[in-house]
Amino acid sequence: NAGVTQTPKFRVLKTGQSMTLLCAQDMNHEYMYWYRQDPGMGLRLIHYSVGEGTTAKGEVPDGYNVSRLKKQNFLLGLESAAPSQTSVYFCASSYYRLAGGRGEQFFGPGTRLTVL
Amino acid sequence: AQKITQTQPGMFVQEKEAVTLDCTYDTSDPSYGLFWYKQPSSGEMIFLIYQGSYDQQNATEGRYSLNFQKARKSANLVISASQLGDSAMYFCAMDSSASKIIFGSGTRLSIRP
Repeated sequence: NAGVTQTPKFRVLKTGQSMTLLCAQDMNHEYMYWYRQDPGMGLRLIHYSVGEGTTAKGEVPDGYNVSRLKKQNFLLGLESAAPSQTSVYFCASSYYRLAGGRGEQFFGPGTRLTVL
Repeated sequence: AQKITQTQPGMFVQEKEAVTLDCTYDTSDPSYGLFWYKQPSSGEMIFLIYQGSYDQQNATEGRYSLNFQKARKSANLVISASQLGDSAMYFCAMDSSASKIIFGSGTRLSIRP
């Protein structure tokens, strides 16, 4: 199993450019998430999905859009990149515990994005 | 509002000593989960341990244990017999029925040989 994969691993954008980050998981997990991590800080939730075809806003959704057309994929889009979006982006997936609640998150390796 | 607080930005510990990393949380949800993750300098996020709000016993996973004090709303991570490879950032996280997972700001643990 590959687990959670992210593409690309690195990207440099100019202000105003757009891009899409792809996250894929092969564990048949229901839940998927996008986070950003700024230097020396914890993870902040951008958007998440509780199942195929559903998305919801997290803590810092402005400037980002997401789609989950297939259960295994979760896409994060930046329509018009800004320097404030320079960060490391992590995708994660998790499952529903039989005892209730969500299980631990499995993280991708991260995408380092720089916006000039 | 839900909140996770890690009050120790950084800690230094001698190799082979035990270390406790603090985490306090705040939620009005009766059902929630608490997680600890490790982030080495290489950047990946590694799951360490989970504690459910209804679990009667403290969770343990090898050298990791979670000191869960529900009334105090604390979920401290205890690492026994620390090793050089334990040097990393450690994040506490909470997941509740509100569906949004929140992370603390992290504690940077450095193990001295």
